Amino acid sequence: DVKVTQSSRYLVKRTGEKVFLECVQDMDHENMFWYRQDPGLGLRLIYFSYDVKMKEKGDIPEGYSVSREKKERFSLILESASTNQTSMYLCASNKREGSRETQYFGPGTRLLVL
Amino acid sequence: GENVEQHPSTLSVQEGDSAVIKCTYSDSASNYFPWYKQELGKRPQLIIDIRSNVGEKKDQRIAVTLNKTAKHFSLHITETQPEDSAVYFCAASLTHYGQNFVFGPGTRLSVLP
Repeated sequence: DVKVTQSSRYLVKRTGEKVFLECVQDMDHENMFWYRQDPGLGLRLIYFSYDVKMKEKGDIPEGYSVSREKKERFSLILESASTNQTSMYLCASNKREGSRETQYFGPGTRLLVL
Repeated sequence: GENVEQHPSTLSVQEGDSAVIKCTYSDSASNYFPWYKQELGKRPQLIIDIRSNVGEKKDQRIAVTLNKTAKHFSLHITETQPEDSAVYFCAASLTHYGQNFVFGPGTRLSVLP
């Protein structure tokens, strides 16, 4: 069974703090993704990575950065947290199985920025 | 870039009835269209997908249809059951090395007993 884990289920931070969200997958997947999920907006891609040390901006990268030093770990960094970054953050990793491109999601981190 | 719209945003059906959720996409190069189901408090999980070289795919009570010309695809759930209640997301993707998935805003389906 593929397992994608995230470092925290709930986080409360103050405006201006630096925030690290970590994601680990145990299936040797090349591709990893960070999304934020907001009501009525669905899942929006922040960044993705298709290899170690490689990263690509998604649809809403502003205010975020990422790090992928090891294949199994993909970190999302909020350099200076703001209240509009209060959201649910979902990490995913991706595997191609024949014609299927399954994304496996982590349990999510609910971040509240005060 | 790709833009995916999804309708309706909420849908209530009686148990046993059918439910249909529709999505449209903007990038004609997109060639892979998965559907994810997210139950309350849980992570999204893939339920069915379709590639652009196929017009329809069925898996038990769920089916997906794709109209490439019109750039829309739909999820059909027949004989709905209470456990089908969830938020459903469609997505479009151009599958190449390092692909980018674009999700629709989601549809909250409620199956009423």
